[in-house]
Amino acid sequence: DTAVSQTPKYLVTQMGNDKSIKCEQNLGHDTMYWYKQDSKKFLKIMFSYNNKELIINETVPNRFSPKSPDKAHLNLHINSLELGDSAVYFCASSHMTGVGYEQYFGPGTRLTVT
Amino acid sequence: SQKIEQNSEALNIQEGKTATLTCNYTNYSPAYLQWYRQDPGRGPVFLLLIRENEKEKRKERLKVTFDTTLKQSLFHITASQPADSATYLCALRAGNNRKLIWGLGTSLAVNP
Repeated sequence: DTAVSQTPKYLVTQMGNDKSIKCEQNLGHDTMYWYKQDSKKFLKIMFSYNNKELIINETVPNRFSPKSPDKAHLNLHINSLELGDSAVYFCASSHMTGVGYEQYFGPGTRLTVT
Repeated sequence: SQKIEQNSEALNIQEGKTATLTCNYTNYSPAYLQWYRQDPGRGPVFLLLIRENEKEKRKERLKVTFDTTLKQSLFHITASQPADSATYLCALRAGNNRKLIWGLGTSLAVNP
């Protein structure tokens, strides 16, 4: 059973295009996250939603817009893609009321902007 | 500034030995510290969590220590196996902060 799933796994697109990444979790968690992992492997939090409410909104270009239709889904839409957006994007989920917010990650979406 | 540091160089050890990875932090008072494993092309996988008032936590061949005076956590894998080869990330949560702060990870290679 897949706990946190993301689609697509790979995304190759040209500069200026708009793309979306979808995430779903079946763990019953109330909190979901988007991370960006760059070529240096640094995991940077972008956004977090708790029960469809945005609770973390880091300094991210406003070309990135998250959307959570329900607590099991969190999508990421990116407008006007730039070369610097190339990275692996991970979705994760956790219980907000969990002891340490231990997080469960999806397999990642490798975005390549050409 | 606040930061987390892990051994930047890859760690190579012989199968059967104990691997010890270090996570140091500055300017935080973490309530919890977590360790994750990440394999190439995959997302991080949660391994262990240790609270600020705990000195040590164990799970099978894994052991984590937490020294809030030294501002350091050590992650040990005993009787290491080639299958333990991966990147290990530490992450901490400070107080009621809702986000985790991540280290860059240490790459571990266990040679048969």
